Amino acid sequence: GENVEQHPSTLSVQEGDSAVIKCTYSDSASNYFPWYKQELGKRPQLIIDIRSNVGEKKDQRIAVTLNKTAKHFSLHITETQPEDSAVYFCAASKAAGNKLTFGGGTRVLVKP
Amino acid sequence: NAGVMQNPRHLVRRRGQEARLRCSPMKGHSHVYWYRQLPEEGLKFMVYLQKENIIDESGMPKERFSAEFPKEGPSILRIQQVVRGDSAAYFCASSPETGADEQYFGPGTRLTVT
Repeated sequence: GENVEQHPSTLSVQEGDSAVIKCTYSDSASNYFPWYKQELGKRPQLIIDIRSNVGEKKDQRIAVTLNKTAKHFSLHITETQPEDSAVYFCAASKAAGNKLTFGGGTRVLVKP
Repeated sequence: NAGVMQNPRHLVRRRGQEARLRCSPMKGHSHVYWYRQLPEEGLKFMVYLQKENIIDESGMPKERFSAEFPKEGPSILRIQQVVRGDSAAYFCASSPETGADEQYFGPGTRLTVT
């Protein structure tokens, strides 16, 4: 089955700097890659996603890139703010109506 | 448009009791997924259901766990004879009927087994 690895497990950045989180997946049939943000004690919130027919997607300060050949995808957060502090999870699935396989999570701390 | 609803939000059970967790998907969504999150870990898929059908239960433990999504009412995840290792946050997610990829999560039920 699918296996998703996520790095780093923790990331500490100064406010205003950029944060980058990387994930790799094993199943070449996967074609949907969402990113979730989870604050302490809260639900995972979908913040951005990318499908295999595009290589990059941007939404304000967050962007995701996908390299299907290498089977890895990354989340980029620019101009980080304290409210960006949370745990971020990447995930992969094969198609609509399929389970998400999650990475282990990255705890991001933005220091003011 | 209300989001995914789960209840109870917190549930305490003694070892050997039964736990019932309920999930109401977003309006217009007919696909429900259950995930388990152990403390300080990621989310692990358990089961995927559509109305009256279990589509994928590859993540469900073989014993004590069952799930249903009846024609009327919420989806229910049932854990019989709970053990301390069942203590976790259980999240459900829903997606629309028409083949959308996105899954939207409920607030979770935090199960504590004493």
